Amino acid sequence: DVKVTQSSRYLVKRTGEKVFLECVQDMDHENMFWYRQDPGLGLRLIYFSYDVKMKEKGDIPEGYSVSREKKERFSLILESASTNQTSMYLCASSSFTSKVGDFGPGTRLTVT
Amino acid sequence: GENVEQHPSTLSVQEGDSAVIKCTYSDSASNYFPWYKQELGKRPQLIIDIRSNVGEKKDQRIAVTLNKTAKHFSLHITETQPEDSAVYFCAATSGTYKYIFGTGTRLKVLA
Repeated sequence: DVKVTQSSRYLVKRTGEKVFLECVQDMDHENMFWYRQDPGLGLRLIYFSYDVKMKEKGDIPEGYSVSREKKERFSLILESASTNQTSMYLCASSSFTSKVGDFGPGTRLTVT
Repeated sequence: GENVEQHPSTLSVQEGDSAVIKCTYSDSASNYFPWYKQELGKRPQLIIDIRSNVGEKKDQRIAVTLNKTAKHFSLHITETQPEDSAVYFCAATSGTYKYIFGTGTRLKVLA
């Protein structure tokens, strides 16, 4: 029953490193999202994509970029990781028509 | 900008009592309102949703109501059980693609 998967559950990186987080969905969903989850702040949208090669900034895009070369895959890139990017990162996808969304298991990223 | 406010941030109820979580959205164009439950260490899971052409929807012990005029929607859980303890998030679609989430409600059901 695989739906949305993320490349790592836990990741530890050093300040200044380039970090790639990958998300894959097998539901042929048009929309894909990257959220960041921090205690007391809920789920904040970083970037989303509604089609291959299309992307739009969410509420907190600074310090992040994304790539969507194939419909099923959406990558989040931290160009130069900083300690304030230590967080839980959740990928999600949804259907354009039904709008019902599913989340991946999350990647807990620690930047030291 | 677009936002969704969610209250309360924490809620404790006795087992068997009801729990109500309320959300208010700002974008009048929003037309889809899902609720997600996130248990500790797990991903958020969709538990119920409602679309703008419906005022109420029920699924066993869970119900959601929508008041489009007031831009309010609420989650109602009846006969709460310990396994209902989790963080609940409301969301509203803003435009065609984007979900805007509330900040979450931590529900504790006391046995």
